[in-house]
Amino acid sequence: SQTIHQWPATLVQPVGSPLSLECTVEGTSNPNLYWYRQAAGRGLQLLFYSVGIGQISSEVPQNLSASRPQDRQFILSSKKLLLSDSGFYLCAWSIWGAINTEAFFGQGTRLTVV
Amino acid sequence: AQSVSQHNHHVILSEAASLELGCNYSYGGTVNLFWYVQYPGQHLQLLLKYFSGDPLVKGIKGFEAEFIKSKFSFNLRKPSVQWSDTAEYFCAVNAQDNYGQNFVFGPGTRLSVLP
Repeated sequence: SQTIHQWPATLVQPVGSPLSLECTVEGTSNPNLYWYRQAAGRGLQLLFYSVGIGQISSEVPQNLSASRPQDRQFILSSKKLLLSDSGFYLCAWSIWGAINTEAFFGQGTRLTVV
Repeated sequence: AQSVSQHNHHVILSEAASLELGCNYSYGGTVNLFWYVQYPGQHLQLLLKYFSGDPLVKGIKGFEAEFIKSKFSFNLRKPSVQWSDTAEYFCAVNAQDNYGQNFVFGPGTRLSVLP
């Protein structure tokens, strides 16, 4: 069966420090991969999605970037964190090339920038 | 581009009350529709989904949703809520002509069920 791992679960980082959040999927090949940010009362905002290695689509301009160095690995990064980057970050995957697919979510990372 | 709206930000009900959470989407093409639930301290889980066929969809834990194409709606219902249904509920849509790549979520509705 497929599983998605996201770490760390919580993170407290000072302003101006770098960020690296990692997400890996097991049990499937060539998944679509997503990074969302969840803010209270604003639902889930899609930050990045990827349909293959090295292919990243950015949905909103921001202080963050994403990379997909391997088929089932998706990394969210920042060179210098801002206070406004605090939030709950969720990684998700779906079946590539399928018209009918749901999104499967990881456990999330609570990021607090201080 | 798709967008999703949810009618209520916070709903408070007593146990055994009936529930209906509204969801509307905007997109001209064929869509897949979803309701996800996030229980306190847990990750997002799929409650139910609609791809095609019968517009009345049954999900887990006694939830159901009805797709009304003419109204661009996909409302979630449960005849009798329990305290354990306290959670945040998200409606989501993706476009079939984009091979379901983009999942767009609504802002969420927080449900509080009083014992």
